[in-house]
Order: sequence, then structure tokens, then C-alpha cells
Amino acid sequence: KAGVTQTPRYLIKTRGQQVTLSCSPISGHRSVSWYQQTPGQGLQFLFEYFSETQRNKGNFPGRFSGRQFSNSRSEMNVSTLELGDSALYLCASSPGLAYETQYFGPGTRLLVL
Amino acid sequence: AQTVTQSQPEMSVQEAETVTLSCTYDTSESDYYLFWYKQPPSRQMILVIRQEAYKQQNATENRFSVNFQKAAKSFSLKISDSQLGDAAMYFCAYTSNAGGTSYGKLTFGQGTILTVHP
Repeated sequence: KAGVTQTPRYLIKTRGQQVTLSCSPISGHRSVSWYQQTPGQGLQFLFEYFSETQRNKGNFPGRFSGRQFSNSRSEMNVSTLELGDSALYLCASSPGLAYETQYFGPGTRLLVL
Repeated sequence: AQTVTQSQPEMSVQEAETVTLSCTYDTSESDYYLFWYKQPPSRQMILVIRQEAYKQQNATENRFSVNFQKAAKSFSLKISDSQLGDAAMYFCAYTSNAGGTSYGKLTFGQGTILTVHP
């Protein structure tokens, strides 16, 4: 099976802009989770989608949002970008039960200038 | 809230030797799962090993094994016969089967950078 894919791999934006990142899960996986990785804060959970519904979310401001489509592909959107949003954004997919192993994509590196 | 702590920011090992990475966690849940992930310079997170809390037997995957001490809430990773390709950042992670705020959420430690010397 093909692994988790993320597009784009690299992105440069300026403050105030918005950005959309995409994640395609492993075939058959219905859960997609998103994480932000920064040197200072480490890996932090953003949110999780299952069957087009957000089941869980972390402690991030409302500027961070996401959605999932019927084919399980997911997008996350960050509006009004801030310098602190510069990070590696990782998505992970799993079949869907709470305890199942998550498999990660290669990440999208976002730089906000 | 669950927390995961990796107290070793950096570790080093000689090729072919054995190294142990430490991880402790805090939880009030009884049904949970622990993982070690590896993140090489490519930044791709790769699953190394998984342990179910209800299993007393320690998980093993080839050269990788864990020492799971449930009462002490300790979950260390042992890498035997270290290879140059093992050099990476290693993350310990936790999730529970409680549903709700546990869905799709891994709680990670801060990571340990492993250097392998030839």
C-alpha cells in the first residue's frame, strides 16, 4: 500500500496570509490526525478527523481549522498567519480506533516571513 | 493530563554496541498504548515499536526491544547492535483507549537525539 502523502512539501508565506495543507491517508484508513512540530514546543496535536467529522482537537486558536472529505483525504487551513506558525506540519493516518497505530506522512514545512 | 518525559536530550553509541533510551509517562488511565517513533534527518516519522499496557510481555522488533515497567510508568527502548542508520531523533509517545479526548491523539516526549559513531 502507498504511504501517507502530504502536499506541498515546502511552503513560504508572509504574515497575514492563509495557507491550506493537504494529506492523503493510507488506503482504507479513515482517521487523519494533524500535528505541529517546532523546536520550542515539540510535537503538538492539532486535531483528528474520522469519517468527515472532527472527533478531537488540541489547544490551538481558531485560526487553525481542518476538514475531511468522503475519500478520507484531509486538509488543514491556517488563516492570518503569524511568524510563530512556522513549523513542520505532520499528518498521520490510522484505521480509526482510538488505540490503533498512526502512520505519518513526510510533513509540510511552512515558513512564515 | 497525560505527560511523557524523555530525560536524555542526546545520547551516543558506538556502531555494534547497545544503547538504551529512557521514557517515563504519567497517566491515570488503565488501558493505554506506548510507542517509539524514529525521525531521521528526512523528518519522516517512522514507527519503531508499540507496546500495549495490558500485555506484561515486553515488545520486540528485531534489534529493538522495550523494557515496560507499568508500576513505575517507565518505557525504555533498547537498541542492540547499533547501526549507522539508527542515527535519528527518537520520540516516545502515548495514547489511550478512553475515546473522547484520546481519539487520534498521540502525546509525545521531547525526543532524544541518537548519534551513532563508526
